[in-house]
Amino acid sequence: EVQLVESGGGLVQPGGSLRLSCAASGFTFSSYDMHWVRQATGKGLEWVSGIGVAGDTYYPGSVKGRFTISRENAKNSLYLQMNSLRAGDTAVYYCAREERRNSGFDYWGQGTLVTVSS
Amino acid sequence: SYELTQPPSVSVSPGQTASITCSGDKLGDKYACWYHQKPGQSPVLIIYQDTKRPSGIPERFSGSNSGNTATLTISGTQAMDEADYYCQAWDSNTVVFGGGTKLTVL
Repeated sequence: EVQLVESGGGLVQPGGSLRLSCAASGFTFSSYDMHWVRQATGKGLEWVSGIGVAGDTYYPGSVKGRFTISRENAKNSLYLQMNSLRAGDTAVYYCAREERRNSGFDYWGQGTLVTVSS
Repeated sequence: SYELTQPPSVSVSPGQTASITCSGDKLGDKYACWYHQKPGQSPVLIIYQDTKRPSGIPERFSGSNSGNTATLTISGTQAMDEADYYCQAWDSNTVVFGGGTKLTVL
């Protein structure tokens, strides 16, 4: 059974840092592109970052330079290092897998809540 | 930056056909995906590559994409289909989601 389990969320002050993790199981992690998607309360989905099987990384302008996505295939784990956090980064953060570009995000984790507040 | 536009809400009667649109510049030249999300749950992929359904997704869900508009069609809509629906596409090296459409079945 495919499982994606996020962890590492919590309360952080503006300007602070946080590292999210996503533990994958039930599939060959190294063969899939992986993504982080966030959702503020009552709002829509916002893509935050993606990483390909070759380690190539992608970001939207809103987080580029502040967030870093990485993967550790030996540990079946995906990470998101978030720096210079702002109130607008407050959201539930989901990890999701994609078999290849345009194949859709077919499995999602349950999400982890990040709250940026003083 | 690339944008995908969806109507904020769509209403449909049970058993009828619901259509949810997603508009973007030359969207038909890209692949569109669709997700639904029920309150308190994670999104679920229901259509990928414009028209394909993942295993386990009912046949009443179908998709099309041409010109500037992708459309999700739900035939014989059921009460359980009430949810938020999001379209998604890749543009260059970024992923874009539409703003979401709340489908009400009444």
